[in-house]
Amino acid sequence: DAKTTQPTSMDCAEGRAANLPCNHSTISGNEYVYWYRQIHSQGPQYIIHGLKNNETNEMASLIITEDRKSSTLILPHATLRDTAVYYCIVRPMNSGYSTLTFGKGTMLLVSP
Amino acid sequence: NAGVTQTPKFQVLKTGQSMTLQCAQDMNHNSMYWYRQDPGMGLRLIYYSASEGTTDKGEVPNGYNVSRLNKREFSLRLESAAPSQTSVYFCASSLAGGPDTQYFGPGTRLTVL
Repeated sequence: DAKTTQPTSMDCAEGRAANLPCNHSTISGNEYVYWYRQIHSQGPQYIIHGLKNNETNEMASLIITEDRKSSTLILPHATLRDTAVYYCIVRPMNSGYSTLTFGKGTMLLVSP
Repeated sequence: NAGVTQTPKFQVLKTGQSMTLQCAQDMNHNSMYWYRQDPGMGLRLIYYSASEGTTDKGEVPNGYNVSRLNKREFSLRLESAAPSQTSVYFCASSLAGGPDTQYFGPGTRLTVL
């Protein structure tokens, strides 16, 4: 699987948009970009994933650059409950089974 | 719909004791996984089961055994616990096939003295 690089930590004011970057310059054409988060003392939670096009769901938006070498997760109106570690993961599609390789992620701190 | 459940939530063992961590999912998923998470580290895969009746080693399988009891249940056994196995253990499940999403349980916090 391709390696990802994320900032160690980020801060965001409550109510503002949180933009979390991820670099995956070695991503191959058959790999998806996934985002998970882990709130303290809880299990990881799926947020969103995408291949080429930008994606949006009720939790977040995912913007993938045209060359697919980087992406940004956007939480449009961050709340205190969004304080968590955010993991960017790339995984191949069409694998008969799936395992996730979690790196160290970005610690997002949302402040009042 | 409870999703993925794990028991127990907390456990303290003495070195050499054995125990089984239980995991169950009610989403009719085919694949199930066991991860461990140590302070300051990401999750590491211990074992997984791609489908009922199959199990395979992950990144850190030593000291553990697993049983896929049926489609719903996947247990993790420590035969002779060691302090190095002090960790938080997460079970996950996925529908399997293609870019499937994994859903995680709340975790079991295990301390081995």
